Amino acid sequence: KAGVTQTPRYLIKTRGQQVTLSCSPISGHRSVSWYQQTPGQGLQFLFEYFSETQRNKGNFPGRFSGRQFSNSRSEMNVSTLELGDSALYLCASSFSQGARYEQYFGPGTRLTVT
Amino acid sequence: AQSVTQPDIHITVSEGASLELRCNYSYGATPYLFWYVQSPGQGLQLLLKYFSGDTLVQGIKGFEAEFKRSQSSFNLRKPSVHWSDAAEYFCAVGSLMYSGGGADGLTFGKGTHLIIQP
Repeated sequence: KAGVTQTPRYLIKTRGQQVTLSCSPISGHRSVSWYQQTPGQGLQFLFEYFSETQRNKGNFPGRFSGRQFSNSRSEMNVSTLELGDSALYLCASSFSQGARYEQYFGPGTRLTVT
Repeated sequence: AQSVTQPDIHITVSEGASLELRCNYSYGATPYLFWYVQSPGQGLQLLLKYFSGDTLVQGIKGFEAEFKRSQSSFNLRKPSVHWSDAAEYFCAVGSLMYSGGGADGLTFGKGTHLIIQP
């Protein structure tokens, strides 16, 4: 069974631009969560999508948004990029929503904002 | 709000020696607890999890962890480390009951960087 895939793996953007990251979950998984990883703040929960609906959202500004498609694939978008948005963005998929279901993480997208 | 503390930022262990990584959590109810490992340039891999029942849980790669409610701890152990165990280790806590509408994602500690000496 193929794992979680994230594209692109690396991305360089300029302040003020916007970016879209993509995540394809494991086949049969319906929940997708996004996390931001930085050296200073560590791993922080962004949001979770299940059945094309955002079910949970972490403490991030509205510039961070996402969506989920009918095939469970998910995208996250960051608008008006800031230098502080430079991070590794990790996507995790699970069979269903909630912590009781094991989350499988993708390799991440490394975003650099200059 | 739930939180996780990993007191040790770096730990250096000789190959073949035993290992214990500390994790303390703060959570108002019975938590789901996890240990993940991250190798450079990789995503996170689940080592083990605790939901309920036996407080000593076995995981992959020879790791185990013990849940101690009285100490709010979930320490990770391995009797004999291998050079391939060098990585970043994260402890995480999640909501027992999915409530929806809130930040029910996993809350991670800041991680412990494990260095293995030959």
